[in-house]
Amino acid sequence: AQSVAQPEDQVNVAEGNPLTVKCTYSVSGNPYLFWYVQYPNRGLQFLLKYITGDNLVKGSYGFEAEFNKSQTSFHLKKPSALVSDSALYFCAVSYRDDKIIFGKGTRLHILP
Amino acid sequence: DSGVTQTPKHLITATGQRVTLRCSPRSGDLSVYWYQQSLDQGLQFLIQYYNGEERAKGNILERFSAQQFPDLHSELNLSSLELGDSALYFCASSVDHQGGMNTEAFFGQGTRLTVV
Repeated sequence: AQSVAQPEDQVNVAEGNPLTVKCTYSVSGNPYLFWYVQYPNRGLQFLLKYITGDNLVKGSYGFEAEFNKSQTSFHLKKPSALVSDSALYFCAVSYRDDKIIFGKGTRLHILP
Repeated sequence: DSGVTQTPKHLITATGQRVTLRCSPRSGDLSVYWYQQSLDQGLQFLIQYYNGEERAKGNILERFSAQQFPDLHSELNLSSLELGDSALYFCASSVDHQGGMNTEAFFGQGTRLTVV
């Protein structure tokens, strides 16, 4: 069955430290992969996507993500976390027939 | 501001009732997506419309239906409401030139539905 997993409900990182939010997927065929961020009382905002090409994609607000086909992962990263990065992050995958599934979300807390 | 407008922002209704949620996509976007976000289920894709036609279906209940009108706005109709339907309902739109969900989507702020 097609699925997206975000194994951590919450990630705590000290400000200035690197952060990683994990995402793994299981779909047949070649997926399109996305990261979205949701701030309190706001809709989701697009961060970045992987369609094809370079496995390292750069997105908004200094975030980047690495596509690893062998590990079926698409982890979100940032070299130096800011308190303002605290939010709910969703990984999503789109595959055949334009279906899309989201992970359950990971709450990121950046500690000052 | 994403450019996607959802109304109403909040809705409180009783079990068994029917409600309609409205979404106006970004100017020029042909695709509209509906999602349900609840604490236990996370974000669930419900349905997608492209230029007035249904394109993809996710975990949408038979009690729910949607449509996209010629002016590209969309409505999500929820009927015979149950307590478990209480959730945040998001609409998103995308340009979708090539077809398929390979372009980023822009989300509205959501409609919070409370069924009592």
